[in-house]
Amino acid sequence: EAAVTQSPRSKVAVTGGKVTLSCHQTNNHDYMYWYRQDTGHGLRLIHYSYVADSTEKGDIPDGYKASRPSQENFSLILELASLSQTAVYFCASSDVRGGAETLYFGSGTRLTVL
Amino acid sequence: GQQVQQSPSSLVLQEGENAELQCNFSSTATQLQWFYQSPGGSLVSLLSNPSGTKHTGRLTSTTVTKERRSSLHISSSQTTDSGTYLCAPSGSWQLIFGSGTQLTVMP
Repeated sequence: EAAVTQSPRSKVAVTGGKVTLSCHQTNNHDYMYWYRQDTGHGLRLIHYSYVADSTEKGDIPDGYKASRPSQENFSLILELASLSQTAVYFCASSDVRGGAETLYFGSGTRLTVL
Repeated sequence: GQQVQQSPSSLVLQEGENAELQCNFSSTATQLQWFYQSPGGSLVSLLSNPSGTKHTGRLTSTTVTKERRSSLHISSSQTTDSGTYLCAPSGSWQLIFGSGTQLTVMP
């Protein structure tokens, strides 16, 4: 069974603090993605990666960094968290770039910045 | 860039009724994926239908590429169908997600 695991499931952070969201996949997929979902909106792509030690910017990368230390792990880092970054964050993996049919999502991380 | 409009934004049905969800997009799409988001937030892919008609179980999707629209028909709805249905077309590789149709099926 394909699996993408995110941690933590929820987090409360203070403005200006550092936040790291983690993602682990056991799908043996090359591509991994970080999306953001705001209430009542669709998902927007923040960063993605197709190989370890390399990341690419998505549509809304400002204020976020990403790290792919291995094929299985992909992190999203907020160096200076801001109120506007309160959202639900989803990690996903696929075997080809944008491969919709093989796109598997994690359960999401609900981030609240106070 | 690609704009995606889904309608209706919300829909309430009685169990057993059929649902028709619409997705309109602004640019040519070579991929189109429908996703289901559960009330708890988890996301799963339902089906891929870049053109024509595709069936899986009680779901039927029809995509008219030239008119840049796709529909998802759910027959004989069940309470477990409640959740949000997201449409995501792509003209290159990147999926662009609509804001979804929130479906509530009452017993």
